[in-house]
Amino acid sequence: DAGVIQSPRHEVTEMGQEVTLRCKPISGHDYLFWYRQTMMRGLELLIYFNNNVPIDDSGMPEDRFSAKMPNASFSTLKIQPSEPRDSAVYFCASSFTTYEQYFGPGTRLTVT
Amino acid sequence: QKEVEQNSGPLSVPEGAIASLNCTYSDRGSQSFFWYRQYSGKSPELIMSIYSNGDKEDGRFTAQLNKASQYVSLLIRDSQPSDSATYLCAVNTPYGGATNKLIFGTGTLLAVQP
Repeated sequence: DAGVIQSPRHEVTEMGQEVTLRCKPISGHDYLFWYRQTMMRGLELLIYFNNNVPIDDSGMPEDRFSAKMPNASFSTLKIQPSEPRDSAVYFCASSFTTYEQYFGPGTRLTVT
Repeated sequence: QKEVEQNSGPLSVPEGAIASLNCTYSDRGSQSFFWYRQYSGKSPELIMSIYSNGDKEDGRFTAQLNKASQYVSLLIRDSQPSDSATYLCAVNTPYGGATNKLIFGTGTLLAVQP
């Protein structure tokens, strides 16, 4: 079975531009998580969904960040406008009812 | 106080030795505990989960949980250079409806010397 799929794998953009990261969870999983990882702050949970509904978005840093999950097989994380401090690796993970989460390959975002 | 604490390392062990990785957590309500392995430039990979006090073995890996001491550890027997990676401890502490939220430690870098 395919694992969690993320696109793009790398994104380089200029400050002020809109960035959209995409995720396809493992088929049948009912939880989807968005994380951000930096050297300074480690792995941080941004938001997670259960059955396509946002459950906890307390980790979303500010209004420039938004996430949607229009259906069970697709989610987006959008940053508008992007800033250099948003540079990080963004991971999507999914799980089925249990707490065992499986991570995608990540998107490395660089904002110049 | 951080919710999940790990020594950042690096922890250096010779090939064939036992590597011992440790993690403490602050919330006594924590119920589920996980170890993830992350190679440089890659995503975290789940290697062990443990839910009750005691030991759980899977191949060369043993997870140990002591809820009274709020302590979880990972032992890697017969360490190999391919085990060199950062090991992340993750803890699930349900808050209200946020039952599937994991809190990650900052990870311990393990270096296995050939």
